[in-house]
Amino acid sequence: QKEVEQNSGPLSVPEGAIASLNCTYSDRVSQSFFWYRQYSGKSPELIMSIYSNGDKEDGRFTAQLNKASQYVSLLIRDSQPSDSATYLCAVIQLYSGNTPLVFGKGTRLSVIA
Amino acid sequence: ETGVTQTPRHLVMGMTNKKSLKCEQHLGHNAMYWYKQSAKKPLELMFVYSLEERVENNSVPSRFSPECPNSSHLFLHLHTLQPEDSALYLCASSQEGTGFNYGYTFGSGTRLTVV
Repeated sequence: QKEVEQNSGPLSVPEGAIASLNCTYSDRVSQSFFWYRQYSGKSPELIMSIYSNGDKEDGRFTAQLNKASQYVSLLIRDSQPSDSATYLCAVIQLYSGNTPLVFGKGTRLSVIA
Repeated sequence: ETGVTQTPRHLVMGMTNKKSLKCEQHLGHNAMYWYKQSAKKPLELMFVYSLEERVENNSVPSRFSPECPNSSHLFLHLHTLQPEDSALYLCASSQEGTGFNYGYTFGSGTRLTVV
């Protein structure tokens, strides 16, 4: 069974610090990786995707992927109180059919002003 | 309208009622999904429709009945629900079949309360 594991948190960081969110996955053939942000009572919003080993940067967000270790992370630089949310990791295989995304339980981030 | 829209945003229903949730995507995607999100649980995949055909039914009780009349619309028909079915129901869409996945776009969800 494919699994995606995340620490549920809460992860508390002071404003301006770097928040580091981690995710491990069990299916070695997973090829596409996503981070979603979900504010309380709202739907998930895609913020980052990564497909190859290494780092991918987008503004204050950096996604890091290590397929050998089956590990993907999200770094948020200069954390702001508005970043306080639950961050969901999701993985999927490259496929020719239709294999749905598998989500982790999410890590709740709290940025303290 | 842009993205994925869901109606209603909130729904309270009795256990003997019949209601339907509606989802519409304006992104030209060819796959649509229903997810259930309960407190302290990961997103649970309920149904997948690809090119209007149901390709996955993830052991969902028969009191939930999906319908996909075309690639832009998805419904979830509800009847004789139980209080434990109270949750946030999320619709999502994606473009499938290219051998590459750009992620799902979610609707705003329907907060369902069964009384």
